[in-house]
Amino acid sequence: GENVEQHPSTLSVQEGDSAVIKCTYSDSASNYFPWYKQELGKGPQLIIDIRSNVGEKKDQRIAVTLNKTAKHFSLHITETQPEDSAVYFCAAGNSGYALNFGKGTSLLVTP
Amino acid sequence: GAGVSQSPSNKVTEKGKDVELRCDPISGHTALYWYRQSLGQGLEFLIYFQGNSAPDKSGLPSDRFSAERTGGSVSTLTIQRTQQEDSAVYLCASSLDGPANYGYTFGSGTRLTVV
Repeated sequence: GENVEQHPSTLSVQEGDSAVIKCTYSDSASNYFPWYKQELGKGPQLIIDIRSNVGEKKDQRIAVTLNKTAKHFSLHITETQPEDSAVYFCAAGNSGYALNFGKGTSLLVTP
Repeated sequence: GAGVSQSPSNKVTEKGKDVELRCDPISGHTALYWYRQSLGQGLEFLIYFQGNSAPDKSGLPSDRFSAERTGGSVSTLTIQRTQQEDSAVYLCASSLDGPANYGYTFGSGTRLTVV
């Protein structure tokens, strides 16, 4: 089955700096790669996703890149703000199967 | 409703008792998923329902765990003879169609504590 590795497990940045979280996956059939943000006491919330026919996608301060050859994808957050502090999960999947999630990255943005 | 609703939000039960966790997905969403999140851990897949197809039960950790989805809507996750290692947050999610077509919308979870 699919195995998703995510690192780092914790990340601390200063407000205004950029944050990068990286994930690798094992199943070359995976074609959908979403990212979720989980705040304390809440369920994860989808923030951005990318499909295998696209190399990069941006939405304001967040962007995701995908390298299918190397089987890795990354989340980039620019101009970080304290409200970006949360746990971020990457996931990988393909049609007919539930998503497999990484173990999460706890991001702390300090003022 | 506007989102995925889970109940109860918190459940404390004695070891050996059975528990039922409920999930109300977003109306019209054909796919429904259950995941388990242990303290500080990632999301562990449990079971996936898609329309009228047989569910994918490959993630259920033991035969003490079962789930059903009635009428293609509400789902119940049942844990029989609970053990302390079952303590976790149980998350339900739904999506408009299959998992690789649309993103999931998660509920806020049920925090289960087995004492």
